Amino acid sequence: GQNIDQPTEMTATEGAIVQINCTYQTSGFNGLFWYQQHAGEAPTFLSYNVLDGLEEKGRFSSFLSRSKGYSYLLLKELQMKDSASYLCAVRNDYKLSFGAGTTVTVRA
Amino acid sequence: DAGITQSPRHKVTETGTPVTLRCHQTENHRYMYWYRQDPGHGLRLIHYSYGVKDTDKGEVSDGYSVSRSKTEDFLLTLESATSSQTSVYFCAISESRGRNTGELFFGEGSRLTVL
Repeated sequence: GQNIDQPTEMTATEGAIVQINCTYQTSGFNGLFWYQQHAGEAPTFLSYNVLDGLEEKGRFSSFLSRSKGYSYLLLKELQMKDSASYLCAVRNDYKLSFGAGTTVTVRA
Repeated sequence: DAGITQSPRHKVTETGTPVTLRCHQTENHRYMYWYRQDPGHGLRLIHYSYGVKDTDKGEVSDGYSVSRSKTEDFLLTLESATSSQTSVYFCAISESRGRNTGELFFGEGSRLTVL
């Protein structure tokens, strides 16, 4: 089975940094994804980790520790447009299982 | 952006009626998926396809069936809709050849309300 946990909500101030944690226990592992989803829209791909370590992409970074079943998404220099849900997903073969998502609210 | 279109985008129907949602892709991706998204549950996999006429069940497949007669089309059918199937349905596609990571590209979603 798949068990993917992430916090339900987080709030941060514009310009700050927020870290969204994700822990997983899955029957197989072929990579971990982070998606962003604005209200009323489809999820869009942010990052992918398959090996341990940090992947950096502009203001967004994602970290993976396979031995700990743990990942985080780091959002730096927060902007109002970063207010959205962030979804952690684990790939097993060609299927992705998702956590329930973390809603991030950025305040001015 | 991946070429994925879902239809209809919005539908209101009554309990007990059949409903079919269509997903059409122009990317020639091998894998296609149907997810539903509900508050507190995130995205849950209903059915998926790994080729023409090759489909399998996901974690919440009861009450749903699918068909894929062409690479580009993946249909989701609710034989007899129930109120518990009120949800937003997302189609997604992926490709795992070469350098592709197997990330999913999502359609815009279909909001279904069953009264």
